[in-house]
Amino acid sequence: QKEVEQNSGPLSVPEGAIASLNCTYSDRVSQSFFWYRQYSGKSPELIMSIYSNGDKEDGRFTAQLNKASQYVSLLIRDSQPSDSATYLCAVRRTGNQFYFGTGTSLTVIP
Amino acid sequence: DAGVIQSPRHEVTEMGQEVTLRCKPISGHNSLFWYRQTMMRGLELLIYFNNNVPIDDSGMPEDRFSAKMPNASFSTLKIQPSEPRDSAVYFCASSYRGFVLSGNTEAFFGQGTRLTVV
Repeated sequence: QKEVEQNSGPLSVPEGAIASLNCTYSDRVSQSFFWYRQYSGKSPELIMSIYSNGDKEDGRFTAQLNKASQYVSLLIRDSQPSDSATYLCAVRRTGNQFYFGTGTSLTVIP
Repeated sequence: DAGVIQSPRHEVTEMGQEVTLRCKPISGHNSLFWYRQTMMRGLELLIYFNNNVPIDDSGMPEDRFSAKMPNASFSTLKIQPSEPRDSAVYFCASSYRGFVLSGNTEAFFGQGTRLTVV
């Protein structure tokens, strides 16, 4: 079983719509969860981190965590063409290793 | 801060040759990670160092791969001999791990090394 699983997509949404990205993880004791964005040919960059159950909002981005279901999601409101990228879900285990999903490719259509 | 610095950015080598990838983590970070990224397998954790000591190398694919961290500001990933299936983008990342969860940082990535073995 993979540490982190994501739907690889691709996911296409029209400009201005809400994009919803989902992720599940296998290690119940994981405490820290992250969403990274990776543009083609570039390195991953952090956009959100979340440590507690519930929602965390930052501008147009909302991360949601449900530890009981081992589920993390990212909502992008008012999607823009510049949001088109691959979104990587990551989990930090207690030993500080970061494990990544294979990523979900998002395209925002103008 | 200059961020995580990797070299070279691109490497093309012939099968059987030795390849050495280099990484300078962010100053003050005490954790260093080597990842390999391919379309098929995504971002795979190869090895993780904490305070220059290898903690988890379970992701290293085989004995042809080795990694060292002689000091807090430098790490290498070596492939000897290289094979075409090693072609991928290799990322180095660093983070700070403290004694309490709130003091830990996320992983910061270098620009990567695109390796092509022909």
